[in-house]
Amino acid sequence: ETGVTQSPTHLIKTRGQQVTLRCSSQSGHNTVSWYQQALGQGPQFIFQYYREEENGRGNFPPRFSGLQFPNYSSELNVNALELDDSALYLCASSFAYSGGAKSGGYTFGSGTRLTVV
Amino acid sequence: AQSVTQLDSQVPVFEEAPVELRCNYSSSVSVYLFWYVQYPNQGLQLLLKYLSGSTLVKGINGFEAEFNKSQTSFHLRKPSVHISDTAEYFCAVNPRGGSNYKLTFGKGTLLTVNP
Repeated sequence: ETGVTQSPTHLIKTRGQQVTLRCSSQSGHNTVSWYQQALGQGPQFIFQYYREEENGRGNFPPRFSGLQFPNYSSELNVNALELDDSALYLCASSFAYSGGAKSGGYTFGSGTRLTVV
Repeated sequence: AQSVTQLDSQVPVFEEAPVELRCNYSSSVSVYLFWYVQYPNQGLQLLLKYLSGSTLVKGINGFEAEFNKSQTSFHLRKPSVHISDTAEYFCAVNPRGGSNYKLTFGKGTLLTVNP
């Protein structure tokens, strides 16, 4: 089975710009979550998608937005980039049963390292 | 809401010595528990997880962890470490049931294995 793949691996953007990060979920998984990991910190939950809808969000402003596509791939969009947005962005996929119950397994991608200058 | 405390930010050990990385959590509901490892400049790799059943969980690379509900702990152990085990280790929890997929992570423990 294929794992979670993220692109690009590295990215440098200027403050105020917009960025789109991409994630392909593991085969058979239907949910996706995004995390931000600042240097020296644990990952922080941004939001999660199930059935192409956002159904959970962490403490991040609206300029962080996302999409989940019918093939369960996903995008994370960040507008009006700030210096503090510099971090490793991780995508994680999982499987939910039809009622939304979790299977308890999460697979992470290798991340996208975003640097804002 | 959940919170995770990893009691040691750094743990230096010598090669072939045993190691324990400590993790305590707080939650008003039952949780699933996870340990992830992160090698430099890489993403997270699942070491092991506790979903239900036996409280002693065995994972990859010779690691194991024990879930202690009364102490709300999930400590990670390895009887003999290798240089290649040098990495950052994260403990995480997720509420059981429902559709909340949020993983709450601790701040991590840097394990450094010295020759």
